[in-house]
Amino acid sequence: ETGVTQTPRHLVMGMTNKKSLKCEQHLGHNAMYWYKQSAKKPLELMFVYNFKEQTENNSVPSRFSPECPNSSHLFLHLHTLQPEDSALYLCASSLLTYTDTQYFGPGTRLTVL
Amino acid sequence: QKEVEQNSGPLSVPEGAIASLNCTYSDRGSQSFFWYRQYSGKSPELIMSIYSNGDKEDGRFTAQLNKASQYVSLLIRDSQPSDSATYLCAARRRGSTLGRLYFGRGTQLTVWP
Repeated sequence: ETGVTQTPRHLVMGMTNKKSLKCEQHLGHNAMYWYKQSAKKPLELMFVYNFKEQTENNSVPSRFSPECPNSSHLFLHLHTLQPEDSALYLCASSLLTYTDTQYFGPGTRLTVL
Repeated sequence: QKEVEQNSGPLSVPEGAIASLNCTYSDRGSQSFFWYRQYSGKSPELIMSIYSNGDKEDGRFTAQLNKASQYVSLLIRDSQPSDSATYLCAARRRGSTLGRLYFGRGTQLTVWP
């Protein structure tokens, strides 16, 4: 198991619900990432945080709202999602954004009904 | 569009054989390349990284890079059933300070006993 944890591991929500995904890294890293992995599609980078500051928003719809209160924690707040948002959401961290190795968490399998 | 292309497979090899996984990339500015292994229902795990033309060996794994041909490969010698997984190829652009990785769709490998 890696030093990146995610909760919940599975989430089923309706389109009108509001929920949050949580990621925590215990590696002393300074950069954290949200990725979306859909079936038959490449991993898509959603957001990048470096030292708690958002450095990239990869044209993600506003129904996804990230929050990074400190370098160890990252949240993804979800509201009014669509069924096509159903996917595996992966959190990753690295020491710095420009270092090589990103360590992934186990992911949250999200189903939007 | 910075694309990384992989054959989706499935690639099926017998135990003890050499498995050859291939990846091409379109962005000539790509400098660093990574192979991740992802077991079904699990998160991606870094296996190898390669930055220079030629071969890089680590145990049963050999990564090969040919920048002129924009081609990266991963060879797995003495394949084991435990190597059965999806292998993701990723590339990072030279000078990128944001850590953005471009992933391929992955190649599913099955090693049969």
